[in-house]
Amino acid sequence: EVVLTQSPATLSLSPGERATLSCRASQSVGSCLGWYQRKPGQAPRLLIYTASERATGIPARFSGSGSGTDFTLTISSLEPEDVAVYYCQQCSSWRTFGQGTKLEIK
Amino acid sequence: QVQLQESGPGLVKPSQTLSLTCIVSGDSISSGNNYWSWIRQPAGKELEWIGRIYTSGSTDYNPSLKSRVTMSVDSSENQFSLRLSSVTAADTALYYCAAGPNPYYFDYWGQGTLVTASS
Repeated sequence: EVVLTQSPATLSLSPGERATLSCRASQSVGSCLGWYQRKPGQAPRLLIYTASERATGIPARFSGSGSGTDFTLTISSLEPEDVAVYYCQQCSSWRTFGQGTKLEIK
Repeated sequence: QVQLQESGPGLVKPSQTLSLTCIVSGDSISSGNNYWSWIRQPAGKELEWIGRIYTSGSTDYNPSLKSRVTMSVDSSENQFSLRLSSVTAADTALYYCAAGPNPYYFDYWGQGTLVTASS
């Protein structure tokens, strides 16, 4: 099973700052990786697929990068509505998810 | 826009079978446009993919759950279902149905339904 480890567990930043979230895979997943956002009380929403492609309707401030075992989700300029838990998910070997990074806005 | 809504009992006794249904709107489940999946999340743990079913009825299940999982499609009711047998307390979780045109990712999600396995 491919294990995804996300860091940090919690990130606290101010509006307008840049957020960098990391996802590391226990073995190479190529570019078969997605990112999801789950706001309190809501279902997850797909943000990024194939490591760097934005899903439909996702603002340009969200971007993804990486391949192999190391991936990054970047939010270029934080908005208050970005408060959420962010999950990565790999699709190279079945489907597994990371444990999440909680993003807080100061 | 595809919309999904889970339904089913919130409480299941240990050793019994958990049964959930996902009602689909915004697309015909028999159109072949989407892959239909179940995902769960126990409190404080990671999201866990349970498996998926396609319009044709073909399935893929998480190897860790494969021996206990059955998924099916009901085209007449435009819904798909999950059955998980021999439940234990470890199966207590928030269960989501999800879907997407790409078999690798999940574009659409239901709101989730909490299922507790307890006597």
